[in-house]
Amino acid sequence: EDQVTQSPEALRLQEGESSSLNCSYTVSGLRGLFWYRQDPGKGPEFLFTLYSAGEEKEKERLKATLTKKESFLHITAPKPEDSATYLCAVRPARQLTFGSGTQLTVLP
Amino acid sequence: DAGITQSPRHKVTETGTPVTLRCHQTENHRYMYWYRQDPGHGLRLIHYSYGVKDTDKGEVSDGYSVSRSKTEDFLLTLESATSSQTSVYFCAISESERTWTSGRQRTDTQYFGPGTRLTVL
Repeated sequence: EDQVTQSPEALRLQEGESSSLNCSYTVSGLRGLFWYRQDPGKGPEFLFTLYSAGEEKEKERLKATLTKKESFLHITAPKPEDSATYLCAVRPARQLTFGSGTQLTVLP
Repeated sequence: DAGITQSPRHKVTETGTPVTLRCHQTENHRYMYWYRQDPGHGLRLIHYSYGVKDTDKGEVSDGYSVSRSKTEDFLLTLESATSSQTSVYFCAISESERTWTSGRQRTDTQYFGPGTRLTVL
């Protein structure tokens, strides 16, 4: 059975305190790993897609990496506006499977 | 934001009543999806459409039906709403399901709408 597990469930950081979010997956044949950001009361906003182990993508203070078993979302020197829930999703054979998300709070 | 709107944005209804949620896109994308989001479960696929009048079931399709008579509109219907269908519903779109890049099959990105919060009393 395809599974996606995100950790931690919640993370509180001080502004400027770098950290990483984890997305572990077990799927039969990965055809893409997606990261989304979701603000309260809004729909998920697309951030990155990764397809192959070793691939990395960056956007502002965010950097996503991928191995054969997990993906990390690294947040460098976060700001309060980075506070959101970050969702990971994987695409095995048929449809996207989402994790439950990591709720990130960045305190000023 | 991708050109996706959902209506209504909020709805409160009673058990046993029919409910229809609408998703409208201005991107002319072929694929459209309905998800529900519940605490502890993440986003789960209800139904999806791969073209006008072409639909298929997702992971949690029981109690839901869909219709797509135009490229831009995808309707989700709860024939007889139950309290277990209280949730936030999201529509998503993608240009295709898969693309080919550098000789490898890649999954196309899905873009999400703003959501509809449905409460069934």
